Amino acid sequence: SYELTQPLSVSVALGQTARITCGGNNIGSKNVHWYQQKPGQAPVLVIYRDSNRPSGIPERFSGSNSGNTATLTISRAQAGDEADYYCQVWDSSSLVFGGGTKLTVL
Amino acid sequence: QVQLQESGPGLVKPSQTLSLTCTVSGGSISSGSYYWSWIRQPAGKGLEWIGRIYTSGSTNYNPSLKSRVTISVDTSKNQFSLKLSSVTAADTAVYYCARAVVVYNWFDPWGQGTLVTVSS
Repeated sequence: SYELTQPLSVSVALGQTARITCGGNNIGSKNVHWYQQKPGQAPVLVIYRDSNRPSGIPERFSGSNSGNTATLTISRAQAGDEADYYCQVWDSSSLVFGGGTKLTVL
Repeated sequence: QVQLQESGPGLVKPSQTLSLTCTVSGGSISSGSYYWSWIRQPAGKGLEWIGRIYTSGSTNYNPSLKSRVTISVDTSKNQFSLKLSSVTAADTAVYYCARAVVVYNWFDPWGQGTLVTVSS
């Protein structure tokens, strides 16, 4: 079965740029979606199809996908960006989530 | 604006069947553009996809849960449902329903989630 690998945690200084990776075999050939989940809340879509932002998501959120790694980039990180982030793909009739990354804004 | 709301018992006994319903408002579940999915999350852990249903009734399930899962749709009530049989404590989790776009499979929106505890 297909696996997605995310770092358990990423830290970023306030106002700096955070990058969260999602590794998978030839993930560049798949559509990758990213979700933000704050404590006690349902996940929220922040990036779809590798690099597209839904309406209402700040331009500070961007995504890329190539080779074996997809990346979620959060520019000018804010305290409100502290959350868990999950990547997700569809593979061979099954849907897969990464294990999640906890983003801490220092 | 489409909204989803989960409902069902918050406590289920081991070996019994967990049953949840997701009610869709603000849009028709019969739209051909979407799949309707269930996802769960044990406390302190990551997201696990359970399965999905299309308006036609066609389903796909997570292979690890397939033998115990049934997802159905009731278009007259604008609802879809989850049944998970032979539950154990490992099935204790927050259960979410969500809408997924056909072909690309991203989830938006999600329901608020409902906690189901498996305990005697």
